[in-house]
Amino acid sequence: AQKVTQAQTEISVVEKEDVTLDCVYETRDTTYYLFWYKQPPSGELVFLIRRNSFDEQNEISGRYSWNFQKSTSSFNFTITASQVVDSAVYFCALSEAGSNYKLTFGKGTLLTVNP
Amino acid sequence: ETGVTQSPTHLIKTRGQQVTLRCSSQSGHNTVSWYQQALGQGPQFIFQYYREEENGRGNFPPRFSGLQFPNYSSELNVNALELDDSALYLCASSQKWTGNEKLFFGSGTQLSVL
Repeated sequence: AQKVTQAQTEISVVEKEDVTLDCVYETRDTTYYLFWYKQPPSGELVFLIRRNSFDEQNEISGRYSWNFQKSTSSFNFTITASQVVDSAVYFCALSEAGSNYKLTFGKGTLLTVNP
Repeated sequence: ETGVTQSPTHLIKTRGQQVTLRCSSQSGHNTVSWYQQALGQGPQFIFQYYREEENGRGNFPPRFSGLQFPNYSSELNVNALELDDSALYLCASSQKWTGNEKLFFGSGTQLSVL
């Protein structure tokens, strides 16, 4: 069974600080995909990044970066120089072949960026 | 391109009633997925439709049913509403889902069951 754990329930930072959101996943499949979505107060989830299980190369995209480590089953997400507009709930999600690629979300981390 | 739109935005029902929620997919998308998000929780997968056929279902009882129309819009129907059905219901569209596609979400329908 697949599972996604986001241990941080809430994080509060001051603008311009860097912040890392943690995600740990469980899966028995060798083929799976990992995602990060952002949910602002308006409600709709917005896609941020994705990674497949065969690509552990970590990348930077603007102020976003991610650290995918299969050895520790972690897929952490970092926002550099945070801004007030980054305040939202962030969800990590997993889809795996064994579950017909059903997308399973973690419980989310509420990020508050204070001016 | 038009985004995913859901209606209504808010709905109040009483226990035992039936409800229909609607979703219009993003232009060019043929797959629609529905999620239930309880307060303080992550979204939970209800089911997915691809070209008018159900293409996967989560752990939800049969009183949760759906439809997808030829224009790829979709409905979620819930019969015999229970108090625990109170949640934000999210619709998401994509190209054919193979596990790796980016989902485009609507803003959801907030359902309250009294």
